Amino acid sequence: RKEVEQDPGPFNVPEGATVAFNCTYSNSASQSFFWYRQDCRKEPKLLMSVYSSGNEDGRFTAQLNRASQYISLLIRDSKLSDSATYLCVVNAGGTSYGKLTFGQGTILTVHP
Amino acid sequence: DVKVTQSSRYLVKRTGEKVFLECVQDMDHENMFWYRQDPGLGLRLIYFSYDVKMKEKGDIPEGYSVSREKKERFSLILESASTNQTSMYLCASSLRGRVYTEAFFGQGTRLTVV
Repeated sequence: RKEVEQDPGPFNVPEGATVAFNCTYSNSASQSFFWYRQDCRKEPKLLMSVYSSGNEDGRFTAQLNRASQYISLLIRDSKLSDSATYLCVVNAGGTSYGKLTFGQGTILTVHP
Repeated sequence: DVKVTQSSRYLVKRTGEKVFLECVQDMDHENMFWYRQDPGLGLRLIYFSYDVKMKEKGDIPEGYSVSREKKERFSLILESASTNQTSMYLCASSLRGRVYTEAFFGQGTRLTVV
């Protein structure tokens, strides 16, 4: 089983749609969680961290369920500029504190 | 403006050559990472360093080695390049000691081994 698994998509949605991405992780000792965004031919950049209580940043909402080892990202009112690959990232913690493991990414295309 | 700089954007090397990929960061970060990114496989960790001269193997270390002689510089070495090492290589750095710490990436090096 992969350490971090995502549905690779692709997701094709119209502008204004709501879209949700899911991610599962296998290491129950994992300490912190993130969503990164990667535009075509660019490097990944942090979109948002994911906290146990859930957190929101504008149109983006991230949720963490430690019991189910599950992370989600919800994008409301999708914009054309949201088209990108979304990467679920887990910090392993423990003796590998600081080691970041990435999911394979979910491709999102928002069309007019 | 924080910066992670990789020495080359594109490299073409021959099978069997020794290849050096260099990465420099100017943020005084303790952690540095080398990943490779391939279509459908996402980013896979090759090696991770949490301090000068310290390193940990990632998920796919075979055929690679690393060097961290100075805090700001992390080098990836392909001892004898092979065609299956053709890939996009990404370097990243982050602060150690924080559970929630952002990783900053370089622009990537696209390596082609012929």
